[in-house]
Amino acid sequence: EDKVVQSPLSLVVHEGDTVTLNCSYEVTNFRSLLWYKQEKKAPTFLFMLTSSGIEKKSGRLSSILDKKELFSILNITATQTGDSAIYLCAVALSYQLIWGAGTKLIIKP
Amino acid sequence: GAGVSQSPSNKVTEKGKDVELRCDPISGHTALYWYRQSLGQGLEFLIYFQGNSAPDKSGLPSDRFSAERTGGSVSTLTIQRTQQEDSAVYLCASSLEASQPQHFGDGTRLSIL
Repeated sequence: EDKVVQSPLSLVVHEGDTVTLNCSYEVTNFRSLLWYKQEKKAPTFLFMLTSSGIEKKSGRLSSILDKKELFSILNITATQTGDSAIYLCAVALSYQLIWGAGTKLIIKP
Repeated sequence: GAGVSQSPSNKVTEKGKDVELRCDPISGHTALYWYRQSLGQGLEFLIYFQGNSAPDKSGLPSDRFSAERTGGSVSTLTIQRTQQEDSAVYLCASSLEASQPQHFGDGTRLSIL
């Protein structure tokens, strides 16, 4: 059975800290891995990763994929209270996405 | 439109009633998805439409759930004889094509009394 597991389930840190969120997967027909940020409403797209070892970066956020060990990490440096959200990882199999349960990140001022 | 639009944003109804949820995808996006998200849970896939092909209905939880997409654009998700366990946020997403990132609407929060 295809599955995506995220860890930790929740994380509380102070503003300015660096956090690393994990996503591991066991799927057939892997095409890509995607990260989303969900605040109050809709998930918003962050990154799509298809190749191992190539870091994608956007401001203080970065992500990398390891297709040999079947995981990805999402790093957030110099965290701010606005980074508080649920971070969702999903793996694309052709057209369907298999979703992890998410990591709830809380940034304390 | 600029983004995926869903309506209504909130729906409260009595158990046993039928409800219809609407999704207007981003213009030009051929793929459309419906998901359900219960409180504190991840996204549960319901149904996928791609162009004029037959939809993938494998995620629909029961035959009370149905969806259609007219003219390759707007989609409606219908839940008949609603039950309390149907209470959730129903999210719609679209993508340019199946391999591209999905863009989500703000969802419809459905509450069954």
